[in-house]
Amino acid sequence: NAGVMQNPRHLVRRRGQEARLRCSPMKGHSHVYWYRQLPEEGLKFMVYLQKENIIDESGMPKERFSAEFPKEGPSILRIQQVVRGDSAAYFCASSPRQGGNTEAFFGQGTRLTVV
Amino acid sequence: DQQVKQNSPSLSVQEGRISILNCDYTNSMFDYFLWYKKYPAEGPTFLISISSIKDKNEDGRFTVFLNKSAKHLSLHIVPSQPGDSAVYFCAASASRYGGSQGNLIFGKGTKLSVKP
Repeated sequence: NAGVMQNPRHLVRRRGQEARLRCSPMKGHSHVYWYRQLPEEGLKFMVYLQKENIIDESGMPKERFSAEFPKEGPSILRIQQVVRGDSAAYFCASSPRQGGNTEAFFGQGTRLTVV
Repeated sequence: DQQVKQNSPSLSVQEGRISILNCDYTNSMFDYFLWYKKYPAEGPTFLISISSIKDKNEDGRFTVFLNKSAKHLSLHIVPSQPGDSAVYFCAASASRYGGSQGNLIFGKGTKLSVKP
């Protein structure tokens, strides 16, 4: 059973371009979470999605950032018109259900560098 | 305002000794706490957790202690091994999602170095 798969592992974008980060959850997991880690910081929650639904996007910047988790295919975190401050490691986690202190498994992350 | 604080950015311990990593929190709504271990260029790996109805949880060499009145938890690793060298993150959540680990608030991490 493959773990949470994120791609690409490294992404370089010029200022003003779009960045698309993909996350394939573990098999059987329908809950996906995106986190961002800035240098020397802890992980910061961005958004929680279930299939086709955004459950909580309280950690998402109001502009330029969006996330989806379609019925088929991976979850996508999209950053439009990237700026240098978007440079960070973006981690995706998945879990099979909510509640009952269910463990969430993390992917290896996508390191975005904006030049 | 940081709701989960790990005040020691680094800790160095001799192999075989005990490692104690500390974490403080401010939000009294937190009722579930977790420790994650992270190697460079990898995602965090779940280590151990504790619910607020308990004050101790043990799993092999790892024990987590929770002091609710002090809003403090600690992770004890005994005996410490060189392979334990990593960054350890403390995280907390509230039962907003029925206890799901999804919306976690993380501390900044403590880098543990275990010397042979």
